[in-house]
Amino acid sequence: LAKTTQPISMDSYEGQEVNITCSHNNIATNDYITWYQQFPSQGPRFIIQGYKTKVTNEVASLFIPADRKSSTLSLPRVSLSDTAVYYCLVVVTTSGTYKYIFGTGTRLKVLA
Amino acid sequence: DGGITQSPKYLFRKEGQNVTLSCEQNLNHDAMYWYRQDPGQGLRLIYYSQIVNDFQKGDIAEGYSVSREKKESFPLTVTSAQKNPTAFYLCASSPGTETDTQYFGPGTRLTVL
Repeated sequence: LAKTTQPISMDSYEGQEVNITCSHNNIATNDYITWYQQFPSQGPRFIIQGYKTKVTNEVASLFIPADRKSSTLSLPRVSLSDTAVYYCLVVVTTSGTYKYIFGTGTRLKVLA
Repeated sequence: DGGITQSPKYLFRKEGQNVTLSCEQNLNHDAMYWYRQDPGQGLRLIYYSQIVNDFQKGDIAEGYSVSREKKESFPLTVTSAQKNPTAFYLCASSPGTETDTQYFGPGTRLTVL
């Protein structure tokens, strides 16, 4: 059964690049990995999604190595407003049913 | 203005009472989900529905019930059988399932006194 693991917290300074890794063992070739951002008392907000190699959008990049045992969310040049909790989500497909497995979240604090 | 609405934002109930949390979406999405979030923890799936009049249990369905009579609505009832119902409840929807991005509502914080 797939399980996701993330670092509990990270600190960074404004303008730096931040990389947050999610370890997910035992996921299948076509299982997608999605990253969300959550502010206190709000619903998570979609950041990026992919299932292999590298995906980039206007706010982040997602790197997935060939063995797919982990993925890394990269936030370029963070600002104070990026202080939030970041979650990875793995959707595992088994015999036509889906399991939605969220990581425990990484609390990112951006310092001035 | 399209999106997902959850009401109310805060809800208080006495122990032993059933309570229903509302979730409505006007995104024309087929799939809807309910998650529970406890302080400092990730999201855990309670129920999900891929289509009207059909739903599946998630990882922590015991003590909860749902219905999906309309495409835009997916109410969650927290029953008295749920041992520890105080939590932050999040509803989400997606165009389909599996690879589709889930869009979340603002959440309902339920406190059982």
